[in-house]
Parts: sequence; structure tokens; C-alpha cells
Amino acid sequence: EIVLTQSPGALSLSPGERVTLSCRASQTISHNYLAWYQHKPGQAPRLLIYNVSNRATGIPDRFSGSGSGTDFTLTISRLGPEDFAVYYCQQYGSSPATFGQGTKVEIK
Amino acid sequence: EVQLVESGGGLIQPGGSLRLSCAASGFSFDAYAMHWVRQRPGKGLEWVSGINWSGGATGSADSVKGRFTISRDDAKNSLYLQMNSLRVEDTASYYCAKGIWNGDYVARYFDSWGQGALVTVSS
Repeated sequence: EIVLTQSPGALSLSPGERVTLSCRASQTISHNYLAWYQHKPGQAPRLLIYNVSNRATGIPDRFSGSGSGTDFTLTISRLGPEDFAVYYCQQYGSSPATFGQGTKVEIK
Repeated sequence: EVQLVESGGGLIQPGGSLRLSCAASGFSFDAYAMHWVRQRPGKGLEWVSGINWSGGATGSADSVKGRFTISRDDAKNSLYLQMNSLRVEDTASYYCAKGIWNGDYVARYFDSWGQGALVTVSS
């Protein structure tokens, strides 16, 4: 199965800052089948991005995704107070679908 | 608005059985593939099992194959996960997740999730 490695594991930032999260795959992800989720404690995970760069319904345009092959990025252009959470990448180009271990974005 | 509400979690001894339910609303449940995803304590997310839109095909992760069974009742807009022969390592929050329209049991992306049901397997 494809292993996804996210970096960094955690980072502390201030509201308004730009953040770039990385997701690296152990093999090429076919069809660009890569998604990103936001997860806050006690809440349902929320789909942000699918197929590498498509924003899900209702997701603000400060969230963007890019990449191809084995290297992918989620960028938040300006952190809002509601954006402090854990972010996961997921590949669904190969079965079984797998997730990265997550990046925690904390308030500095 | 899509809503997915899990129930049926709890404390169970190793070797025991538990059935999770997921009540769905706000979309045409019978047209979508559905899935279960879990998160073990301190760990990331793990796809557990999926069922296609018609209920005619299912698939599961190797870690639960032969022990967990996914099913659906479209008349009740409900998804189920029957968990047998539970192990300590099955302790996790279990999330119901909405798959793709007219999709198969193979997991794609999940555009809606429930808040999860906690299953604790311990003696």
C-alpha cells in the first residue's frame, strides 16, 4: 500500500501567516487522486481539497492544493483563527486508500 | 445539509461483538457509496470498510477482513458495521463517511463525515 508522509509533524503560527504543508507518497499517485482534510478535536473531519487541487463545496479560496507524482502541497494563504487544526492528506489512486499521519497547526 | 450520526459505540471485552450504526440525512443515501474510517488513539486515519451504492459489493481493510461486515439499509437511510472478534487494537473512533455518487466500495475521497463513535476494547 502507498505510505504518505506529511511534514512537518506540527508547527506554531500566528493568524494571518501563510502556511505550506507537505505530503510525500512512497509511490506515484495515479490519476492525481489526492485529497486534504481538516480535523478539529471532537468534530467531523472536513474535506478541503480533492483531486489535488479542487476545492470542496464551501471551502474558502485561501486553501489551495498543488503537486503531482509523489509530492503534494496544501497552502493556506492567510491563517484564520478557525484554521488551527490537524490536516491530513489521503490518496485514493491505489487500493486501499491511505492517509498521512497528519500535521498539527497550532496557534503561536 | 448532509448529516451523518454514528451510534452504538462503547466498552467491550476482547473477543466480543459490537454493531455500529450511522443515520444519514440530507442527501439521496441510496445513490452513494458509503464507508467506515477509524482513528486509533494518537494515530492517523485508516479506511476500514466500504459498500457500493447498491449494496451489492463491499470491501474491507486487511486488518479487519473476516471480522467486520459493512451493510446498508436504504429504506432506513442507515449504514452499519458489524464488528466481531474484537481486539484491543480495534480501539478507535469510528467515522461514517459519504463516498462517491454511484460509487463502488473502493474508497475515493469522502465529502461528508460523522462526528464518530468511540469503541474501546479492553478487559
